[in-house]
Amino acid sequence: TQLLEQSPQFLSIQEGENLTVYCNSSSVFSSLQWYRQEPGEGPVLLVTVVTGGEVKKLKRLTFQFGDARKDSSLHITAAQPGDTGLYLCADRDDKIIFGKGTRLHILP
Amino acid sequence: DAEITQSPRHKITETGRQVTLACHQTWNHNNMFWYRQDLGHGLRLIHYSYGVQDTNKGEVSDGYSVSRSNTEDLPLTLESAASSQTSVYFCASSEDLNTEAFFGQGTRLTVV
Repeated sequence: TQLLEQSPQFLSIQEGENLTVYCNSSSVFSSLQWYRQEPGEGPVLLVTVVTGGEVKKLKRLTFQFGDARKDSSLHITAAQPGDTGLYLCADRDDKIIFGKGTRLHILP
Repeated sequence: DAEITQSPRHKITETGRQVTLACHQTWNHNNMFWYRQDLGHGLRLIHYSYGVQDTNKGEVSDGYSVSRSNTEDLPLTLESAASSQTSVYFCASSEDLNTEAFFGQGTRLTVV
């Protein structure tokens, strides 16, 4: 059974700071997705990465996929209060298996 | 606009009762999923379906069942509700097996 570990579990930082959160798998990802979930809502897809070493950017968010396709990172530059939420990584194959998430709180 | 809706949004039920949570999507997606979300456990897969008459068990399927009689709906039934099934339940659908999944807004279920 695949295990996805996300770190840190919780992160609270000041607006304007940079941060990185991590996702590690016990086995190779089929493809990796990052979702963001806001309170009272369902998760919303941010990005899908497929190829080892792949880097994708979404405005101030940078997603990296490890060369061995067993880990990924999400880097946020100049965090804003609107970035607050639960960030989930997931292995996307014929079903979606989620990590437990990193709960991010940006202080104004 | 196409969408995925869950109902009810909130429900309180008693231990031992049968409960059905509804999920309806208008994208005509073949793939549908049910998750529960609990503090400390994240989103865990309960059941999923790849099309009409197809259902599969996820990692936490005990005590739950689903049926898929049409493309649009995947109702989740708790046969005999238990306090351990108090949770927030999310339904999702996707067009293909490797593409974006769209989630409903969730149903908060409390079993007393």
